[in-house]
Amino acid sequence: AQRVTQPEKLLSVFKGAPVELKCNYSYSGSPELFWYVQYSRQRLQLLLRHISRESIKGFTADLNKGETSFHLKKPFAQEEDSAMYYCALMTGTASKLTFGTGTRLQVTL
Amino acid sequence: NAGVTQTPKFQVLKTGQSMTLQCAQDMNHEYMSWYRQDPGMGLRLIHYSVGAGITDQGEVPNGYNVSRSTTEDFPLRLLSAAPSQTSVYFCASSPWTGDNSPLHFGNGTRLTVT
Repeated sequence: AQRVTQPEKLLSVFKGAPVELKCNYSYSGSPELFWYVQYSRQRLQLLLRHISRESIKGFTADLNKGETSFHLKKPFAQEEDSAMYYCALMTGTASKLTFGTGTRLQVTL
Repeated sequence: NAGVTQTPKFQVLKTGQSMTLQCAQDMNHEYMSWYRQDPGMGLRLIHYSVGAGITDQGEVPNGYNVSRSTTEDFPLRLLSAAPSQTSVYFCASSPWTGDNSPLHFGNGTRLTVT
């Protein structure tokens, strides 16, 4: 069965410091991975997906099939990055997502 | 274009009561789903639907019923509420174009069962 692991419940960094939110997955097929973000008092929204290979709000994530990882990175954290981040794995053809338990990113001055 | 709309935003129930959480989308999305969000457990899929008249179970379907009589609406019914169903519930939809389009989420319904 598929599984998504986010080992850190809380990640606290200083403004301007690099950020790496870890995500590992377990899936026997070809994975499709996403990062979703939930800012305070806002709905969950897509941040980026691996097939797009894009940078959104300065964040990037590279799929490493050898390490089964999809870590989210940003070179310089900003206060507005403080939010809850969820890594998600899509399997099959029904748009079903398996979410990790989430990591709260706290960016302080 | 309102996107995905959930009502109510908050609800308190007593054990054994029933209620329906409403979800509507105006994007003509074929795929709709319900998740529950619990601390330390992330979001877990309850039920989903790939089109009007078609529903299927997710990871945690027990205690919940759904129906999909129209493309727009996907209500979630709690038949006999239990304290274990205290959670935040999210409805989500996507276009179902075959390319695994990302989900659009509602604002959530915070449910407390006493």
